[in-house]
Amino acid sequence: AQKITQTQPGMFVQEKEAVTLDCTYDTSDQSYGLFWYKQPSSGEMIFLIYQGSYDEQNATEGRYSLNFQKARKSANLVISASQLGDSAMYFCAMREEYNNNDMRFGAGTRLTVKP
Amino acid sequence: DVKVTQSSRYLVKRTGEKVFLECVQDMDHENMFWYRQDPGLGLRLIYFSYDVKMKEKGDIPEGYSVSREKKERFSLILESASTNQTSMYLCASSFRGTQYFGPGTRLLVL
Repeated sequence: AQKITQTQPGMFVQEKEAVTLDCTYDTSDQSYGLFWYKQPSSGEMIFLIYQGSYDEQNATEGRYSLNFQKARKSANLVISASQLGDSAMYFCAMREEYNNNDMRFGAGTRLTVKP
Repeated sequence: DVKVTQSSRYLVKRTGEKVFLECVQDMDHENMFWYRQDPGLGLRLIYFSYDVKMKEKGDIPEGYSVSREKKERFSLILESASTNQTSMYLCASSFRGTQYFGPGTRLLVL
């Protein structure tokens, strides 16, 4: 069964605007972690942000923030003040605590920032 | 900074060849992973290793094997490459659950 769903294959945003990339997940585990990665055209997967299921506050890292809604099982990535260099594929991922070595990835969203 | 390196960025091989993809991490991480990435499918786990000489199958191990003789090095082996193994291969190591990736190897099997 699909554990991570990213419903937006592609997104466009105007430079300097904010954009939200959607991610929903499915788990029966109470303890899990949620991750976002950026993959530019060079291919490297760059770790952006992490949210633990027991964290009460939404994670933030610079211009990245994670809108965590546990009851809805969603973990959307918000990028504020978009820059041209933000154009890339973005992957949402989940790791369940009982299986520390198994990280599940979504299919990804391609973000294009327009000048 | 975590550093994960992969031996090749681009590789072209012929059907039936034996292919070695090398991955090295310099942060003394215990866990290492091999994924393949195909358009529309995201990342799929091939194998992972949680210690030297230890390995576990991921979701798609068929046609692949791995070797971990030293903690810092995790090798992916295609015993007899086939065209359906043309893909992007990503290696990762993990610390406290967060995985850190290498730059990837784009493999083309002709």
